[in-house]
Amino acid sequence: DGGITQSPKYLFRKEGQNVTLSCEQNLNHDAMYWYRQDPGQGLRLIYYSQIVNDFQKGDIAEGYSVSREKKESFPLTVTSAQKNPTAFYLCATSTDRGNTEAFFGQGTRLTVV
Amino acid sequence: AQSVAQPEDQVNVAEGNPLTVKCTYSVSGNPYLFWYVQYPNRGLQFLLKYITGDNLVKGSYGFEAEFNKSQTSFHLKKPSALVSDSALYFCAVRDNRGNKLVFGAGTILRVKS
Repeated sequence: DGGITQSPKYLFRKEGQNVTLSCEQNLNHDAMYWYRQDPGQGLRLIYYSQIVNDFQKGDIAEGYSVSREKKESFPLTVTSAQKNPTAFYLCATSTDRGNTEAFFGQGTRLTVV
Repeated sequence: AQSVAQPEDQVNVAEGNPLTVKCTYSVSGNPYLFWYVQYPNRGLQFLLKYITGDNLVKGSYGFEAEFNKSQTSFHLKKPSALVSDSALYFCAVRDNRGNKLVFGAGTILRVKS
């Protein structure tokens, strides 16, 4: 919310296509995160980045890729290798201090058609 | 590795009654603990956090949470529930080295009038 913009809000993907979800922030936060949300499974971490040009795999990184070329931007690509991509994707940011809360975007709902 | 458990998929409360949403955690070192709320098709909103100090933490919308180190718990509470409190609630933990933020599976709170 606030200074985090996710786009698009809804996205439809055909089988075998790669799609990229956008996340932009103007909060000047160092850390950015991508989470996947499925019903009953809570939020699962896909990738996170604590600094420009560096990122780490989360718990479910297979079939996804990211880049962090600018502090403000952390796009997520859902590749054709991700066999079950239909989900709600959330981007979050925080300062690099662990005692601060994360701020979330409004999410992108991806559906495979 | 950090982990969070929210043992109840759903909590049902009558309006005006007190509510409790349970959370237990596992982390190396001292924990940073957070509660978030999510309304349908929206991002997560921060409610409150425990970093250090007083075990009873007060947050937004009249919510509070009690940190119990011996029981590794961080239960969310509110003295008098409102129908508008009905939502999905997430507990999250980060260790004090500032590593990734890990979420529980979420608890649906339903407040009936």
